Amino acid sequence: GDSVTQMEGPVTLSEEAFLTINCTYTATGYPSLFWYVQYPGEGLQLLLKATKADDKGSNKGFEATYRKETTSFHLEKGSVQVSDSAVYFCALSAQTGANNLFFGTGTRLTVIP
Amino acid sequence: GAVVSQHPSRVICKSGTSVKIECRSLDFQATTMFWYRQFPKQSLMLMATSNEGSKATYEQGVEKDKFLINHASLTLSTLTVTSAHPEDSSFYICSARQYKMNTEAFFGQGTRLTVV
Repeated sequence: GDSVTQMEGPVTLSEEAFLTINCTYTATGYPSLFWYVQYPGEGLQLLLKATKADDKGSNKGFEATYRKETTSFHLEKGSVQVSDSAVYFCALSAQTGANNLFFGTGTRLTVIP
Repeated sequence: GAVVSQHPSRVICKSGTSVKIECRSLDFQATTMFWYRQFPKQSLMLMATSNEGSKATYEQGVEKDKFLINHASLTLSTLTVTSAHPEDSSFYICSARQYKMNTEAFFGQGTRLTVV
């Protein structure tokens, strides 16, 4: 069945460090891929998405490229800020849209000044 | 973006009692709402999908008599955990999708349920 494997945390980085959170997936067909972020005390928010192979999603300095050959969708940011401290979830959907999302376990990121 | 409010954010209850969790779409109409749960160090797992005015569709392995879902209006869905036991302690989160739009779903803040 469809599933997502996400790098376990927690991850602690200094401000301006480079961030990578690994995500790989298993799915039949051509899923859409998402990164969600949950800031303290808030709900999950869509951070970025990609709907087909080689697409790059980007938002707020974060990027992730849909790699079909490696079944991956790693999240990256060149220079993290304290305000990026949150829990990040990788997810996939077997069709365009957000029905039946399959989530990874979430990775808690803490950025220290 | 659209706002989904989930209440309460934390609840502690005694074993054997029932707990109701509310999920409201504040500024849009949601024909479809989803309920997830997350055990420590595990993924968010879809429990059920509810459509306004009809019965919820439960995922395999989820007891419909234990997790009662009501979606009586386009802005409110409720999840009631009946006769709660310590193994029901978990993080529950809802999401809602806008009416007639095949777009992303918006998530509530989640509810941390602890059954003692």
